[in-house]
Formats: sequence, structure tokens, C-alpha cells
Amino acid sequence: DAGVIQSPRHEVTEMGQEVTLRCKPISGHNSLFWYRQTMMRGLELLIYFNNNVPIDDSGMPEDRFSAKMPNASFSTLKIQPSEPRDSAVYFCASSLSGTQEEAFFGQGTRLTVV
Amino acid sequence: GNSVTQMEGPVTLSEEAFLTINCTYTATGYPSLFWYVQYPGEGLQLLLKATKADDKGSNKGFEATYRKETTSFHLEKGSVQVSDSAVYFCSLLEYGNKLVFGAGTILRVKS
Repeated sequence: DAGVIQSPRHEVTEMGQEVTLRCKPISGHNSLFWYRQTMMRGLELLIYFNNNVPIDDSGMPEDRFSAKMPNASFSTLKIQPSEPRDSAVYFCASSLSGTQEEAFFGQGTRLTVV
Repeated sequence: GNSVTQMEGPVTLSEEAFLTINCTYTATGYPSLFWYVQYPGEGLQLLLKATKADDKGSNKGFEATYRKETTSFHLEKGSVQVSDSAVYFCSLLEYGNKLVFGAGTILRVKS
């Protein structure tokens, strides 16, 4: 398996624009997580899904952020409108729920909002 | 709720020095515990894990033992290398498959 695949790897956008980050989890995994990493706040869990259903979105910072998982092999994290303070590295991770196994992380998307 | 506390960094060591990064946790029950490592410009990858009390996880010369009595999972390595320079995260697995992470500890190894 190719692992968790995120796209794009880098994104530079202007303030006010819509940004969409994409994630393909490992085949067979049924839990998916979106994290944000910054120097100030470290690693924050934004939202996670089990079997394509959002379970906990309490980490989503504002209504400008939304996430979807239309099927087991694809998820998106959207920011609309984007702001400079959204600049961060966004990671997607997947795992198999009901086990004691680890989550696997993608390479991340480095977002810069100017 | 569940939480993980790990020692603040950065930790700076000379090559071949002994490494300890402390990690303690607060949790209901006995969750699985993990150490992840993040090399510059990359995502997190699993370094080692332990799924029950007294288990010892080990990988690439790193070790950590699940201590129920002290609710700890300290990471150790007998002789660090420059290539071990990275950020290390301690974490636990909550019910519902959610990972709770510590703040991360930066390790810098000088040659």
C-alpha cells in the first residue's frame, strides 16, 4: 500500500480564497483524522471520522473550516475564506478502529495564506 | 479527559550520549501507548508501541516500558546519533480510536 496520500504537498493562497486539502487513507482503514501543526500550538486534532461519519469535530477552529468524507477512500478539509492565521501544516492520518493499532500519517500539506 | 505530558525541549546531546525523554499520562483504564517520531519536513511515523502494562516497545535502539504504577512511558536510547535529530511525540489511544498526543520534544544531536 502507498500509505496515506495527501495533496497538494504545498499550497500558497491569498487571504479570502477557498482552500481544499485532500486525503486518501490506507485501503481498509475506517478511521480518518485531520490534524493541524503549528509552532505555537503544536499538533491539534481538528476532526475525526469513523466509517465515513464525523465523530468529533470539536477541534475545528471556526465555521470557516469544514470536512467531508464522501466515501471510505477520500476526505477533504476546506477552509473558506482562508486567513493568514490558518497557515500551518495539515496532516491526515488513518487507522483501523476497534484494534490497538497505530495511526498512519500522510506527508502533510503545508499551507501558506498571504 | 485523557492527557499526555512530556518533557519540554529542546534536548541537545552529543553523539553517543544517553537519551531519556519523559512521558506521563492520565487516562481511564489501560490505553495503548505510542512514541511517534517526526523528521524535518515529514509526517509522523510510529517509532514504537506498547499495548499493555509492563510491555516494552523497542525499535532502532529506542525503548520504552509501559509503567502502570507510575503512569509513565519514558523513551530511552543508549547511544544517540546525529540522524536521531527529530521531534518525538508520546501518545495514547483513547476509546473510539482517537490518539491523544503530547506537545512533542525536539531532540538535537551534535557530532
